[in-house]
Formats: sequence, C-alpha cells, structure tokens
Amino acid sequence: EVQLVESGGGLVQPGRSLRLSCAASGFTFDDYAMHWVRQAPGKGLEWVSGISWNSGSIGYADSVKGRFTISRDNAKNSLYLQMNSLRAEDTALYYCAKKRMAGTGEDYFDYWGQGTLVTVSS
Amino acid sequence: EIVLTQSPGTLSLSPGERATLSCRASQSVSSSYLAWYQQKPGQAPRLLIYGASSRATAIPDRFSGSGSGTDFTLTISRLEPEDFAVYYCQQYGSSPITFGQGTRLEIK
Repeated sequence: EVQLVESGGGLVQPGRSLRLSCAASGFTFDDYAMHWVRQAPGKGLEWVSGISWNSGSIGYADSVKGRFTISRDNAKNSLYLQMNSLRAEDTALYYCAKKRMAGTGEDYFDYWGQGTLVTVSS
Repeated sequence: EIVLTQSPGTLSLSPGERATLSCRASQSVSSSYLAWYQQKPGQAPRLLIYGASSRATAIPDRFSGSGSGTDFTLTISRLEPEDFAVYYCQQYGSSPITFGQGTRLEIK
C-alpha cells in the first residue's frame, strides 16, 4: 500500500525557515518524480515544486522561487522542502504527491499524503 | 503560465441528476494533459481523470472526461450522495503545473 506521510509543519514567524519532510513507502520511490502542492485555508490547490526521480530536473512556482528548495534522499525514501524567508501568504496545508507514471513527462498525481500545516504568523 | 478557469463556481444538484463541470484554459493544453481531482472536506485530493478522458484506477464509470485544446469537461452521469465535493482540474502539459480554482458540487 502506497503511503506518503508529511511532517515538519508548525507555527513560524515571518522571515524564518522550516523544513518539511515526506516519508514514502509502498512503492519504488526512486522510480518516481515527486511534488509538493499546497492549499491555503479555504482555498484551492497550488503546485509548489517538483523533483525528478534522480533530482536532475527541478521546478518551482514563481511564488516560491528563490526561497524554497526541494530535495530528495532515495536511500531514505524521503522528500523534503526547505522553506526560507517565509511569508504570511505561505500559510497552507502542504501535500506531498506522487507522480502516477514513471518515465513520462506527465506530472499528475495518483497518491497524496494527508498534508502538514504551515502557519506563518507573528 | 496557463490559467485554468472552472465554471460554475458552485453547482447545486440532486442525487440522480447529471453534473457537467467545465474547465477552460487560457491557452491550448498540450497533448490534452489535463487531470481532474475530487476533494472532500478534510481529505487529500483524489485523482479521477487523466489525459482529459482516461479514468483512474477504481473510479466509477459514471465519471467521464472530455475535451481538448482549451475546453474540457467533467461529467458525472448520475450523482451519488458521495459525489458531492469540490472538483479541481489540473494541466500538466506546460510548466508550471496549474490548477483551476475549483467547482463546489453541493446537494440541492
């Protein structure tokens, strides 16, 4: 059974940093690109960042570019999101999501974690 | 960036009725790389449709997707009580990946 479990969220002051983690199990982690998608309270979904299976291809939304860094450790079956210079508008539930098909350019998501909540407030 | 506009914002229907949800893109979606997700309160999104018209694993056949270019539709042929939720479209043909703002399907 595929499982994605996010952790690392919490309350943080504006300008500070936070590192999110996503522990994956139930599939061959290093075959698949992985992504972070966020959802502000009561709002829609926003893609944040994605990373290819071998970390060779990485992308970011303009809203986080230069502040957030995605990474993965295939030996630990884990995905990370380092978030620096946090702003109030980064407040959201952050989901880790698995790309459905390995080896293609089609980044849509068949499994999602339950999310970890990040609240940026003084 | 491709902007996806979903309509209507809220759709009020009764169980047994047919639901038609629209997703319009600001420019053509490459290779019909469009997906639909269902999200219920307190839950993560669930993949329904990919490639504009292919049903994901274990999705009932009352859900169908259609369209190409800039206009896409999700149809639920006969609404079941569990279908009342928020639905999002997503395009993955161009970077960055973008989502529509969602359509809330509520019980009339």
